Amino acid sequence: AQSVAQPEDQVNVAERNPLTVKCTYSVSGNPYLFWYVQYPNRGLQFLLKYITGDNLVKGSYGFEAEFNKSQTSFHLKKPSALVSDSALYFCAVTPGGQNFVFGPGTRLSVLP
Amino acid sequence: DSGVTQTPKHLITATGQRVTLRCSPRSGDLSVYWYQQSLDQGLQFLIQYYNGEERAKGNILERFSAQQFPDLHSELNLSSLELGDSALYFCASSVEGLALGELFFGEGSRLTVL
Repeated sequence: AQSVAQPEDQVNVAERNPLTVKCTYSVSGNPYLFWYVQYPNRGLQFLLKYITGDNLVKGSYGFEAEFNKSQTSFHLKKPSALVSDSALYFCAVTPGGQNFVFGPGTRLSVLP
Repeated sequence: DSGVTQTPKHLITATGQRVTLRCSPRSGDLSVYWYQQSLDQGLQFLIQYYNGEERAKGNILERFSAQQFPDLHSELNLSSLELGDSALYFCASSVEGLALGELFFGEGSRLTVL
């Protein structure tokens, strides 16, 4: 079965420090991987995706993610966190283009 | 603004009742997805339509049904409502039928069942 794990319910980081939000996946076939962000009382917004090619993917708002096939991971990173990055982050996988499977979400708090 | 419109934004109803949630996808998008978001279950996929046809089915209860109309808007019907159906229901749209590209989410319909 396809699944996505986000091992941390909550990540706290100080403003201007680097941040990492972790994601691991289990899928048969080639994974297509995504990160979405949800601000309070809003729908999810797309940040970035990995389909193929370079393992380091750059996305919106200065975020990037690194695909690691051997570790089946797709961690979200940002070199310098902003208070406005505080939100709920979801990792998602689509096994070979079939339906999106979302992780449980990680709440990021950036402290001033 | 994602371009996806959901109505109503908030809905309060009683157990046993029936409600209809409406979604207008982004202009040009053929796929509509429905998701349920609750605190204890996370984001659960319910159903996907592509150009009027059901494309994929997830954890959708038999009490729930959906359809996509010729103008591509979609409706999610929830009947015999139970307290546990209280959740935020999201609609998302995309151009493709396959889950390869970006999903555009509406702001959700918050359903409260009393």
